[in-house]
Order: sequence, then structure tokens, then C-alpha cells
Amino acid sequence: NAGVTQTPKFQVLKTGQSMTLQCAQDMNHEYMSWYRQDPGMGLRLIHYSVGAGITDQGEVPNGYNVSRSTTEDFPLRLLSAAPSQTSVYFCASSSSTGVTEAFFGQGTRLTVV
Amino acid sequence: GQQVMQIPQYQHVQEGEDFTTYCNSSTTLSNIQWYKQRPGGHPVFLIQLVKSGEVKKQKRLTFQFGEAKKNSSLHITATQTTDVGTYFCAGRNYGQNFVFGPGTRLSVLP
Repeated sequence: NAGVTQTPKFQVLKTGQSMTLQCAQDMNHEYMSWYRQDPGMGLRLIHYSVGAGITDQGEVPNGYNVSRSTTEDFPLRLLSAAPSQTSVYFCASSSSTGVTEAFFGQGTRLTVV
Repeated sequence: GQQVMQIPQYQHVQEGEDFTTYCNSSTTLSNIQWYKQRPGGHPVFLIQLVKSGEVKKQKRLTFQFGEAKKNSSLHITATQTTDVGTYFCAGRNYGQNFVFGPGTRLSVLP
């Protein structure tokens, strides 16, 4: 049972480039989310999804897009990378939005130069 | 919007000493979760508290949820080097998403 798998683990982008961070879970969880983690700021919610075909914005959505075509996959797209998007990104899933634990992926360390 | 604060930001203890981190929310919470993140790792779920005044224990870890459901604490008795990491609380206001606190980074000196 792999849990939540994120790829890549590390990425360096130039300002203005676009890329997609991949996230897949094999636990049949309905709820998936993306966070960014910056020093001293904890985890901030970027986007989330309560099921296939349904996505919504979190606390810091600007500059990011998501889609949820299947229960398993929840990719995060950076449209035009900026240095302010340098961060560690975590994908998480849970079986329900309010009552169960979140399982986190290993994280993607992104640097935008 | 909802804000979740944690104190202290950093804590250095000698192995064997106790450690406590406090979590405070600007709004009443329906439930609160605690996570631990080892250096270079990802957050791992520790526990969830739901009831006012609830106390739960996991070996040397004791978790409390305040009577007003606006604060929580995590206490570790007799710290060990394996306790090193950052401890996050995440509070949820009814029907909303969880909001994470900034975390308390614990270092344990052997």
C-alpha cells in the first residue's frame, strides 16, 4: 500500500516556466488537498477537492491550478513560476474532510530562480 | 478568517526533560488534530480531539482540548531523541477546512 505518492521530489524552475506537481493516492480517499510549507508559517492550504470533478480554493490559491478527473489523482499546476513560489509542497488525502486523519505525501521541494 | 497560533516557536530540552506546546485558535473549533514532522520528512498524524475538555494519552504524549474548544496542548514526558521534530496543531471550525498552526520545533540534546 503506497499511500500518497508525490513526484518529483525536487525541482528547479526558471521564473516564468510552468510545471505540474503530481499526486496520487491508492486509499480511495475522497478528500485531497495541496499545501505549501514555508519556514515559520506552517502548512497553508492552496487548493482542495472533495471528490472527482470538484475542486475549490484554499487560503493561497493564486498562481496555481488543480483538477480532479479521477479519485486517485490530484495534480497541481504552476502556471508561470515566480520566486515567491519557492517552497515545499505537500499533497494530502483523507477519507472525509472533517473527521479523519490526513495522510501526507513525501513532499516536493521547489526552487524558482 | 480563522487563525491558529502555537507557542513556543522553538524549544530546546535536555533528554529526559518534559516538553509542552500550546495551540490557540481565534475561533471555536469543532475538532483539532496534532501532527509530527521529523526533519526533512512529512507531517504524520498523531491524534484528533473532538470533545470539550478531552484528554488523550499516547505513551509519553498527553493531548488536551480546552473547555472552550479554542485551545489545545501537547505534553511530552521525559523527552527522548526520537521526539525531535516539529509539532503542528490543525484546527477546524465547523464545516471549514483545517487550519494549521506554524508549529513548534523541538530539539532534544542527548
